[in-house]
Amino acid sequence: AQSVTQPDIHITVSEGASLELRCNYSYGATPYLFWYVQSPGQGLQLLLKYFSGDTLVQGIKGFEAEFKRSQSSFNLRKPSVHWSDAAEYFCAVGAISGDKLTFGTGTRLAVRP
Amino acid sequence: EADIYQTPRYLVIGTGKKITLECSQTMGHDKMYWYQQDPGMELHLIHYSYGVNSTEKGDLSSESTVSRIRTEHFPLTLESARPSHTSQYLCASSPSGVLDTQYFGPGTRLTVL
Repeated sequence: AQSVTQPDIHITVSEGASLELRCNYSYGATPYLFWYVQSPGQGLQLLLKYFSGDTLVQGIKGFEAEFKRSQSSFNLRKPSVHWSDAAEYFCAVGAISGDKLTFGTGTRLAVRP
Repeated sequence: EADIYQTPRYLVIGTGKKITLECSQTMGHDKMYWYQQDPGMELHLIHYSYGVNSTEKGDLSSESTVSRIRTEHFPLTLESARPSHTSQYLCASSPSGVLDTQYFGPGTRLTVL
């Protein structure tokens, strides 16, 4: 069965600082990986996804993520955080056979002025 | 911006009441999903549908039921609400392709007293 671990429940960074959110997955074959963001009171919005090809994936709002098969990781990064990035971030893994997503528990990001 | 709507956004109701959470999408997507999300927890898939007259149970057992009579509409019903049903319910839809992006509605926060 597939699973996702997001080790950091809460992260606080200063505005303008760099950000890295960790995501580790467990899946037997090539995973399909996603990062979603959820602002307070809102649904989830897709930031980026990885299916195959270049392991560095660019997304919306200046985010990127790197797939590292050897580490079973798909960490999300942003070089300079803005106050509007404060939200909850979810990593998810999908299997082509099941066509369903398994989500991590999320990381809540706070941004200091 | 995805066009997927959920009503009501917030619902407080007494034990034993029957409730229906509405979800509609205007994108013509075949696939639709219901997730349950508790604070600090991952999203759990409770129902999904691949098209009209198709409904399947998800990974998390739920006492709710769903129907898919029209492509754009995927309501979730609880025949007799209980406090254990208190949670946030998120609806999503996606196109027909394998593991296409899921677009989420804003969610319904249900409280059962």
